[in-house]
This record gives sequence, C-alpha cells and structure tokens, in this order.
Amino acid sequence: NAGVTQTPKFQVLKTGQSMTLQCAQDMNHEYMSWYRQDPGMGLRLIHYSVGAGITDQGEVPNGYNVSRSTTEDFPLRLLSAAPSQTSVYFCASSYVGGRTSYNSPLHFGNGTRLTVT
Amino acid sequence: GQQVMQIPQYQHVQEGEDFTTYCNSSTTLSNIQWYKQRPGGHPVFLIQLVKSGEVKKQKRLTFQFGEAKKNSSLHITATQTTDVGTYFCAGPKSGAGSYQLTFGKGTKLSVIP
Repeated sequence: NAGVTQTPKFQVLKTGQSMTLQCAQDMNHEYMSWYRQDPGMGLRLIHYSVGAGITDQGEVPNGYNVSRSTTEDFPLRLLSAAPSQTSVYFCASSYVGGRTSYNSPLHFGNGTRLTVT
Repeated sequence: GQQVMQIPQYQHVQEGEDFTTYCNSSTTLSNIQWYKQRPGGHPVFLIQLVKSGEVKKQKRLTFQFGEAKKNSSLHITATQTTDVGTYFCAGPKSGAGSYQLTFGKGTKLSVIP
C-alpha cells in the first residue's frame, strides 16, 4: 500500500515550457486534490476532483489544468510555465464523507519541488 | 469569504518549554483537523475534533475545540527537538461537500536544544 505517489520529486523548467505532475493513489479515495505551498502562504488549493470524470477549480487554478480519467490518477498540467509557478506542489486524497458531514483526513504525497526560471 | 487564521506564524522555544498555536475561523466549523509538516516533508494528519468543547490528547500534545466551534488550539508540553515543524489547522470549506478543507497558514515551531 503505497498511499499517494507523486512524480517527479524535483523539476526545473524554463518559462513557457509545459509539463505534467503525476499523482496516483491506491487507497480507492474518491477525492483528490492539488495544493501549492509557498512561504508564508500556507497550502492553497489549485484543483480538485470528487471522482473519475469530475473536476473543479480551487482557490488558485489559473495556469493549471487537471483531468481525472481513473479513480487512481490525477495529473496536474502546467501549460506554459511562469516564474510565479515556482513552488512546492502536493497532491492529496481522501474519502468523501459518507454518513457524517465530517471531513475525512487528507493523505498527502511527498511533493514536487518545481522551479521555473 | 471563509478564513482560517493561525497565530503565531513563528515560534521559537527552548527545549522543554511549552508551545501553543491557535486557530480561529470566521465561520462555525463542523469539525477541525490538525496536521504537522516536518521540514522538507509533507503534511501529516494528526487529529480531528468534532464536538463543541472537545479535548483530545496525544502524549504531550493537547488539542481543544472551542465551545462555539470557531476556534481551536494545539498545546505541546515540554517540547522536544522532534516537535520541530509547521503545524496547520484545517476546517471544512463553507458551502462545499464533506471533503474540501481550508488550511490556516500554519505555525512554524523551532526548538532550540
């Protein structure tokens, strides 16, 4: 049981390049999400999904695309990288609350450190 | 919009001293979660509080949920170097389903040996 797996761990891009950050989970979680973490800004939600074929925008979605073709995978695409996208990116997953209205704990991947020059 | 605020942003303590971080929400929360992130690591779930006035303990860590369910605190007794990291609180996003969380900006704890 690997949990949430993110690749790559580190990436350096030049402005204008595109790339995909991979995220996979093996816990059969319905909810998957992408956060970026910047110094002093905490964790900000980029995009999220509550199941295959369903995605929605979070707090800071501009410049990023996502898709959810399977329950397990939730890739994050940077279409044209900008220096402002230099950050640490975390993928996180959880169950969607069933009988209760309480949030399920989020399971985070190890993160991807992205630098855009 | 909904805000979850944490104070202080940074805390430096001598090893053995106590530490407290506070979390305040602009709205009533159905539950609150706490996470710890070690330097260079990823956030790890610590605990969830759901009842008004609830107090939970994990060894030297004490978590409280306010009576009005709008604030929470994490208290560490006799800090150790292993407590170093950033502590985040998170509450459900208003109007969202039971899965979206809004995180506070975290309190970064440094422990001086």
